Amino acid sequence: GAVVSQHPSRVICKSGTSVKIECRSLDFQATTMFWYRQFPKQSLMLMATSNEGSKATYEQGVEKDKFLINHASLTLSTLTVTSAHPEDSSFYICSVNPSGSGETQYFGPGTRLLVL
Amino acid sequence: QKEVEQNSGPLSVPEGAIASLNCTYSDRGSQSFFWYRQYSGKSPELIMSIYSNGDKEDGRFTAQLNKASQYVSLLIRDSQPSDSATYLCAVNEDTNFGNEKLTFGTGTRLTIIP
Repeated sequence: GAVVSQHPSRVICKSGTSVKIECRSLDFQATTMFWYRQFPKQSLMLMATSNEGSKATYEQGVEKDKFLINHASLTLSTLTVTSAHPEDSSFYICSVNPSGSGETQYFGPGTRLLVL
Repeated sequence: QKEVEQNSGPLSVPEGAIASLNCTYSDRGSQSFFWYRQYSGKSPELIMSIYSNGDKEDGRFTAQLNKASQYVSLLIRDSQPSDSATYLCAVNEDTNFGNEKLTFGTGTRLTIIP
């Protein structure tokens, strides 16, 4: 499978600040990455599809101005949670879909965000 | 609204027995099906994928697909305590952009009892 890293693994911030999460594909180039959010005891909810060199595609109900996605290279996508509030506290996970693997997605280790 | 349904459990199985996990999906057009395992506090890891009707075996794991019934299952033979986790069923969602999205079920929490 693909090797995906995320940084940071855990972050605590004050309400109103912005937090940037990085997702890196370590062993192949990814034109597409996916960003998910998972609240405790719930399943994964897709937030957006990150496309290299173009705008991200957001799921219904996800505010694009609050969750800024930048996919500037074939190995890096970033998710910035702007003006974070306690309700944004969650487990944020990215995934990649290597070309030639069909629709298989491989997940990064996740970033746990706690907004105080 | 495309849906993927799983029994949330918890499902308790004695060590050494067979664990059976089930999943149904609503989109008849789905072609790709995946089982992921997620340990508490960790991200999902891929166990198996299946694309054709029938069974697919990989070690102690067997995935079963029945597209007519819109049903996919995962069997774990000789269950071990390390198999205790939440198992997520995922189904592809065809998009117009060519990048296939996955829809996840809520997961079944499996506990293997020593």
